[in-house]
Amino acid sequence: AQSVSQHNHHVILSEAASLELGCNYSYGGTVNLFWYVQYPGQHLQLLLKYFSGDPLVKGIKGFEAEFIKSKFSFNLRKPSVQWSDTAEYFCAVSSYGNNRLAFGKGNQVVVIP
Amino acid sequence: DAGITQSPRYKITETGRQVTLMCHQTWSHSYMFWYRQDLGHGLRLIYYSAAADITDKGEVPDGYVVSRSKTENFPLTLESATRSQTSVYFCASSERAGAYTGELFFGEGSRLTVL
Repeated sequence: AQSVSQHNHHVILSEAASLELGCNYSYGGTVNLFWYVQYPGQHLQLLLKYFSGDPLVKGIKGFEAEFIKSKFSFNLRKPSVQWSDTAEYFCAVSSYGNNRLAFGKGNQVVVIP
Repeated sequence: DAGITQSPRYKITETGRQVTLMCHQTWSHSYMFWYRQDLGHGLRLIYYSAAADITDKGEVPDGYVVSRSKTENFPLTLESATRSQTSVYFCASSERAGAYTGELFFGEGSRLTVL
C-alpha cells in the first residue's frame, strides 16, 4: 500500500522567512501528487497538483512544489511567508488504478507576525 | 449553490446512539469519500464510493456504515457511537483523472462529539 511521509509536523517561523515542507511517498510507479491547505477552522483546499510535465509546479498564493522522481519526493516551498499562511498543509498521492488518495499526517505551520 | 455540503456542522451525542452525517454534492462527481481528522493521525479514509450503489472500505471502517442510493448523496452512519469516534468528519468528492483519482473537493466538515 502506498504511504506518504511528512516530517517536521510543527513549524514556527517569522513573516518573510522561507518555508519548505517535505513530502515523500512509497509507491514506485507513476503517481499524481497534491498539496492541500487547511486554514484554521476551514476545510481542505487544493494548493497545487502535479500530474505530468514540468516537475516544478506553481500553485496559488505564491506556493510551488518540485517533483523529484528519483527521490520519491514532492516538496512544497514558499520564498516569503505571510501571517495568513498559518495553516495545516497536507501532501497527498494518487497511484495508478487506485480509487483513493493517500494523505500524509500534515504539517502545522504557524507564521509569527 | 453548487458545491459539497455537510450536515450537521456540529453534533453532540451520547455513547450508544445512532448518528448520521449527511453529505450532498451538486457536481455529479462519480467519487465520494468520508475522512476523519484527528490530532496526530491526519486524515484517515473511512469509506469511499466510486458510483451509486458502489461503496468500499477505507483505512478505518469499523463502526461506520455508508450508503449511496443517489450519486449526489453519501451519508455516513455511526450505528452505535463510541467516544473514540469523536472527531471532525470530512466528506469529499472527485472526478476520475484517467486511471488516477483526481482532485478532491472537500466539504466544510462535521464536528462530532460523543459523550
